[in-house]
Amino acid sequence: DVQMTQSLSYLAASPGESVSISCKASKSISNYLAWYQQKPGEAYKLLIYSGSTLQSGTPSRFSGSGSGTDFTLTIRSLEPEDFGLYYCQQYYEKPLTFGSGTKLEIK
Amino acid sequence: QVQLKESGPGLVQASETLSLTCTVSGFSLTSYHVSWVRQPPGKGLEWMGRIRSGGSTDYNSALKSRLSISRDTSKSQVLLKMNSLQTEDTAIYYCTRSDWRNWYFDFWGPGTMVTVSS
Repeated sequence: DVQMTQSLSYLAASPGESVSISCKASKSISNYLAWYQQKPGEAYKLLIYSGSTLQSGTPSRFSGSGSGTDFTLTIRSLEPEDFGLYYCQQYYEKPLTFGSGTKLEIK
Repeated sequence: QVQLKESGPGLVQASETLSLTCTVSGFSLTSYHVSWVRQPPGKGLEWMGRIRSGGSTDYNSALKSRLSISRDTSKSQVLLKMNSLQTEDTAIYYCTRSDWRNWYFDFWGPGTMVTVSS
Protein backbone atom coordinates (compact mmCIF):
# COMPACT_ATOMS: atom_id res chain seq x y z
CA ASP A 1 0.00 0.00 0.00
CA VAL A 2 1.11 3.59 -0.60
CA GLN A 3 1.69 5.26 2.75
CA MET A 4 0.83 8.94 2.89
CA THR A 5 2.59 10.97 5.56
CA GLN A 6 1.53 14.36 6.78
CA SER A 7 4.36 15.22 9.10
CA LEU A 8 2.57 18.04 10.87
CA SER A 9 -0.47 16.92 12.80
CA TYR A 10 -1.11 20.40 14.16
CA LEU A 11 -0.46 23.89 12.90
CA ALA A 12 -1.44 27.20 14.46
CA ALA A 13 -1.61 30.42 12.47
CA SER A 14 -3.30 33.80 12.52
CA PRO A 15 -5.78 35.18 9.98
CA GLY A 16 -3.91 36.89 7.19
CA GLU A 17 -0.89 34.61 7.44
CA SER A 18 0.13 32.02 4.86
CA VAL A 19 0.66 28.37 5.70
CA SER A 20 1.89 25.27 3.94
CA ILE A 21 0.89 21.69 4.70
CA SER A 22 3.05 18.90 3.39
CA CYS A 23 2.18 15.39 2.31
CA LYS A 24 4.67 12.71 1.35
CA ALA A 25 3.98 9.46 -0.49
CA SER A 26 5.97 6.29 0.13
CA LYS A 27 6.39 5.82 -3.62
CA SER A 28 5.89 7.96 -6.67
CA ILE A 29 2.22 8.68 -7.33
CA SER A 30 2.78 11.08 -10.24
CA ASN A 31 0.22 13.83 -9.60
CA TYR A 32 -2.62 11.57 -8.43
CA LEU A 33 -3.12 13.51 -5.24
CA ALA A 34 -6.15 15.23 -3.75
CA TRP A 35 -6.58 17.53 -0.77
CA TYR A 36 -9.68 17.68 1.43
CA GLN A 37 -10.90 19.99 4.14
CA GLN A 38 -13.07 18.97 7.05
CA LYS A 39 -14.81 21.37 9.37
CA PRO A 40 -16.88 20.37 12.39
CA GLY A 41 -20.43 19.52 11.46
CA GLU A 42 -19.74 19.72 7.75
CA ALA A 43 -19.11 17.14 5.06
CA TYR A 44 -15.62 16.65 3.74
CA LYS A 45 -14.87 19.05 0.93
CA LEU A 46 -12.61 18.38 -2.04
CA LEU A 47 -10.24 21.33 -2.46
CA ILE A 48 -7.64 20.24 -4.98
CA TYR A 49 -7.09 17.27 -7.28
CA SER A 50 -4.32 16.23 -9.66
CA GLY A 51 -1.93 17.77 -7.19
CA SER A 52 -2.63 21.36 -8.21
CA THR A 53 -6.04 21.72 -9.87
CA LEU A 54 -8.56 23.67 -7.84
CA GLN A 55 -11.96 22.07 -7.53
CA SER A 56 -14.78 24.34 -8.61
CA GLY A 57 -15.63 26.62 -5.73
CA THR A 58 -12.24 26.42 -4.02
CA PRO A 59 -10.99 29.94 -3.29
CA SER A 60 -7.92 31.04 -5.22
CA ARG A 61 -5.97 31.57 -1.99
CA PHE A 62 -5.58 27.77 -1.96
CA SER A 63 -2.90 26.22 -4.13
CA GLY A 64 -1.34 22.80 -4.49
CA SER A 65 2.05 21.81 -5.76
CA GLY A 66 4.29 18.80 -6.16
CA SER A 67 4.48 15.55 -8.01
CA GLY A 68 6.09 12.20 -7.48
CA THR A 69 6.35 11.81 -3.72
CA ASP A 70 6.25 15.31 -2.26
CA PHE A 71 3.23 17.57 -2.22
CA THR A 72 2.26 20.81 -0.57
CA LEU A 73 -1.02 22.58 0.10
CA THR A 74 -0.54 26.32 0.55
CA ILE A 75 -3.13 28.73 1.86
CA ARG A 76 -2.33 32.39 1.35
CA SER A 77 -3.81 35.05 3.59
CA LEU A 78 -5.77 32.78 5.89
CA GLU A 79 -9.43 33.52 6.43
CA PRO A 80 -11.29 32.50 9.60
CA GLU A 81 -13.26 29.87 7.67
CA ASP A 82 -10.03 28.09 6.63
CA PHE A 83 -9.41 26.62 10.03
CA GLY A 84 -10.10 22.92 10.25
CA LEU A 85 -8.61 19.59 9.29
CA TYR A 86 -6.78 18.92 6.03
CA TYR A 87 -6.12 15.52 4.51
CA CYS A 88 -4.25 14.37 1.45
CA GLN A 89 -5.22 11.29 -0.53
CA GLN A 90 -3.47 9.34 -3.25
CA TYR A 91 -5.50 7.80 -6.04
CA TYR A 92 -2.61 6.40 -8.05
CA GLU A 93 -3.39 2.86 -7.02
CA LYS A 94 -5.65 0.78 -4.86
CA PRO A 95 -6.10 0.72 -1.98
CA LEU A 96 -6.74 4.44 -2.02
CA THR A 97 -4.97 5.88 1.01
CA PHE A 98 -5.04 9.06 3.04
CA GLY A 99 -2.62 11.05 5.11
CA SER A 100 -3.23 11.24 8.83
CA GLY A 101 -4.42 14.81 8.68
CA THR A 102 -3.20 18.26 9.72
CA LYS A 103 -5.30 20.34 12.07
CA LEU A 104 -5.07 24.06 11.31
CA GLU A 105 -6.05 26.16 14.29
CA ILE A 106 -6.29 29.84 15.03
CA LYS A 107 -3.31 31.19 16.94
CA GLN B 1 -27.72 18.90 -6.62
CA VAL B 2 -25.47 16.00 -5.78
CA GLN B 3 -26.17 14.48 -2.39
CA LEU B 4 -25.17 11.31 -0.58
CA LYS B 5 -26.58 10.25 2.76
CA GLU B 6 -25.64 7.31 4.90
CA SER B 7 -28.06 5.49 7.16
CA GLY B 8 -27.66 2.60 9.51
CA PRO B 9 -28.24 1.17 12.98
CA GLY B 10 -25.89 3.31 15.07
CA LEU B 11 -25.15 0.50 17.52
CA VAL B 12 -24.16 -3.03 16.62
CA GLN B 13 -23.08 -5.93 18.81
CA ALA B 14 -19.65 -7.45 18.38
CA SER B 15 -19.54 -10.48 16.08
CA GLU B 16 -22.69 -9.30 14.28
CA THR B 17 -23.09 -7.93 10.76
CA LEU B 18 -23.23 -4.25 9.93
CA SER B 19 -25.58 -3.08 7.21
CA LEU B 20 -25.39 0.48 5.95
CA THR B 21 -27.19 2.23 3.14
CA CYS B 22 -26.00 5.17 1.08
CA THR B 23 -28.85 6.93 -0.69
CA VAL B 24 -27.75 9.24 -3.48
CA SER B 25 -29.47 11.94 -5.49
CA GLY B 26 -28.46 14.29 -8.26
CA PHE B 27 -26.49 11.66 -10.18
CA SER B 28 -26.78 8.13 -11.47
CA LEU B 29 -25.04 5.15 -9.90
CA THR B 30 -24.40 3.88 -13.43
CA SER B 31 -22.28 6.95 -14.18
CA TYR B 32 -20.17 7.28 -11.04
CA HIS B 33 -18.29 5.08 -8.59
CA VAL B 34 -19.39 5.10 -4.94
CA SER B 35 -16.91 4.27 -2.21
CA TRP B 36 -17.18 3.66 1.49
CA VAL B 37 -14.60 5.36 3.71
CA ARG B 38 -14.45 5.12 7.48
CA GLN B 39 -12.82 7.05 10.28
CA PRO B 40 -12.43 5.65 13.80
CA PRO B 41 -12.72 8.26 16.56
CA GLY B 42 -9.59 10.41 16.64
CA LYS B 43 -7.96 8.46 13.82
CA GLY B 44 -7.42 8.75 10.09
CA LEU B 45 -9.45 7.83 7.06
CA GLU B 46 -9.57 4.32 5.62
CA TRP B 47 -10.90 3.51 2.17
CA MET B 48 -12.95 0.36 2.50
CA GLY B 49 -14.03 -0.36 -1.04
CA ARG B 50 -16.24 0.74 -3.85
CA ILE B 51 -18.80 -0.22 -6.42
CA ARG B 52 -17.95 1.02 -9.84
CA SER B 53 -20.36 2.60 -12.28
CA GLY B 54 -20.47 -0.65 -14.20
CA GLY B 55 -21.37 -2.63 -11.09
CA SER B 56 -18.06 -4.32 -10.34
CA THR B 57 -16.46 -3.94 -6.94
CA ASP B 58 -13.03 -3.29 -5.44
CA TYR B 59 -12.17 -3.92 -1.80
CA ASN B 60 -9.38 -2.97 0.53
CA SER B 61 -7.56 -6.25 1.08
CA ALA B 62 -7.53 -5.55 4.82
CA LEU B 63 -11.32 -5.87 4.86
CA LYS B 64 -12.06 -8.00 1.82
CA SER B 65 -12.93 -11.17 3.70
CA ARG B 66 -15.62 -9.39 5.73
CA LEU B 67 -16.96 -6.80 3.34
CA SER B 68 -19.59 -6.73 0.62
CA ILE B 69 -20.76 -3.71 -1.37
CA SER B 70 -23.75 -3.84 -3.66
CA ARG B 71 -26.32 -1.48 -5.10
CA ASP B 72 -29.94 -1.06 -6.05
CA THR B 73 -30.00 1.35 -8.94
CA SER B 74 -33.80 1.57 -8.92
CA LYS B 75 -33.59 3.05 -5.42
CA SER B 76 -30.33 4.96 -6.00
CA GLN B 77 -28.83 3.11 -3.06
CA VAL B 78 -25.45 1.56 -2.33
CA LEU B 79 -25.37 -1.08 0.36
CA LEU B 80 -22.49 -2.04 2.65
CA LYS B 81 -22.44 -5.25 4.63
CA MET B 82 -19.56 -6.15 6.92
CA ASN B 83 -19.57 -9.21 9.13
CA SER B 84 -17.73 -10.33 12.26
CA LEU B 85 -17.67 -6.83 13.70
CA GLN B 86 -15.19 -5.96 16.43
CA THR B 87 -14.92 -2.92 18.66
CA GLU B 88 -12.17 -1.64 16.36
CA ASP B 89 -14.82 -1.21 13.68
CA THR B 90 -16.35 1.63 15.68
CA ALA B 91 -16.12 4.58 13.33
CA ILE B 92 -17.89 7.18 11.28
CA TYR B 93 -18.76 5.62 7.94
CA TYR B 94 -18.92 7.83 4.87
CA CYS B 95 -20.05 7.19 1.33
CA THR B 96 -18.34 9.17 -1.38
CA ARG B 97 -18.52 9.72 -5.12
CA SER B 98 -15.80 9.54 -7.73
CA ASP B 99 -15.84 9.30 -11.48
CA TRP B 100 -14.61 6.41 -13.59
CA ARG B 101 -11.30 7.99 -14.47
CA ASN B 102 -10.27 9.99 -11.43
CA TRP B 103 -10.56 8.27 -8.12
CA TYR B 104 -10.64 11.29 -5.84
CA PHE B 105 -13.90 11.99 -4.03
CA ASP B 106 -15.75 15.05 -5.22
CA PHE B 107 -18.74 14.59 -2.93
CA TRP B 108 -19.08 13.05 0.50
CA GLY B 109 -22.04 12.16 2.64
CA PRO B 110 -22.23 13.61 6.17
CA GLY B 111 -21.31 10.24 7.63
CA THR B 112 -23.01 7.92 10.07
CA MET B 113 -21.53 6.89 13.40
CA VAL B 114 -21.44 3.19 14.11
CA THR B 115 -20.55 1.94 17.57
CA VAL B 116 -19.69 -1.71 18.06
CA SER B 117 -20.51 -2.86 21.55
CA SER B 118 -18.86 -5.81 23.22
